[in-house]
Amino acid sequence: QSVLTQPPSVSGAPGQRVTISCSGTSSNIGAGYEVHWYQQLPGTAPKLLIYVNSIRPSGVPDRFSGSKSGTSASLAITGLQAEDEADYYCQSYDISLSGVVFGGGTKLTVL
Amino acid sequence: QVQLVESGGGAVQPGRSLRLSCAASGFTLTSYGMHWVRQAPGRGLEWVAFIWYDGNDKYYADSVKGRFTISRETSKNTLYLQMNSLRVDDTAVYYCAKDHGSASYPIDYWGQGTLVTVSS
Repeated sequence: QSVLTQPPSVSGAPGQRVTISCSGTSSNIGAGYEVHWYQQLPGTAPKLLIYVNSIRPSGVPDRFSGSKSGTSASLAITGLQAEDEADYYCQSYDISLSGVVFGGGTKLTVL
Repeated sequence: QVQLVESGGGAVQPGRSLRLSCAASGFTLTSYGMHWVRQAPGRGLEWVAFIWYDGNDKYYADSVKGRFTISRETSKNTLYLQMNSLRVDDTAVYYCAKDHGSASYPIDYWGQGTLVTVSS
């Protein structure tokens, strides 16, 4: 049971827009802690996709965007491409646990 | 460029110990905090431990507190994870990861991971 809740799977056709939600509590996202997102392609290490809610590291396409509101955050992917098929994880900090917390991960399937 | 290379993984019996190493290059451990994150087979990411850039503060997940110890050797620019009293549910790929330095501990670089298998 992960501290941050993500849907197990989402899917979309090429060119479409999908969103992945990340739900937290008043001990983490709701307490004002920032949210970060990672993409993990099969058999590889995770890659930082979005940090501090909405900032894209250099080299990440602007098709990826992040937002945060209240106790939740979202990752949006527009213009879906086959190469976007991967697992996506959100991450934040939890004051009650005094540690970093991850969501359970969302598998994105490009139809 | 930043590189993180883990080593020390392998198969071990329950109750035994193992020490993982992570050789860092392209930056110095005295400038950034460092994490260990693990991923059990077919499962999601689980944060394990964090050490501040100055080495003075360390934080652990409840699941490993009292059994695992994060440390570093600055002269070798190497991070360690000492794992004692290993359990079957510690089986995972262990990633060494560099903290970005921004709020709420985003991780900007990851190693390739080293597999730890705990089994009798």
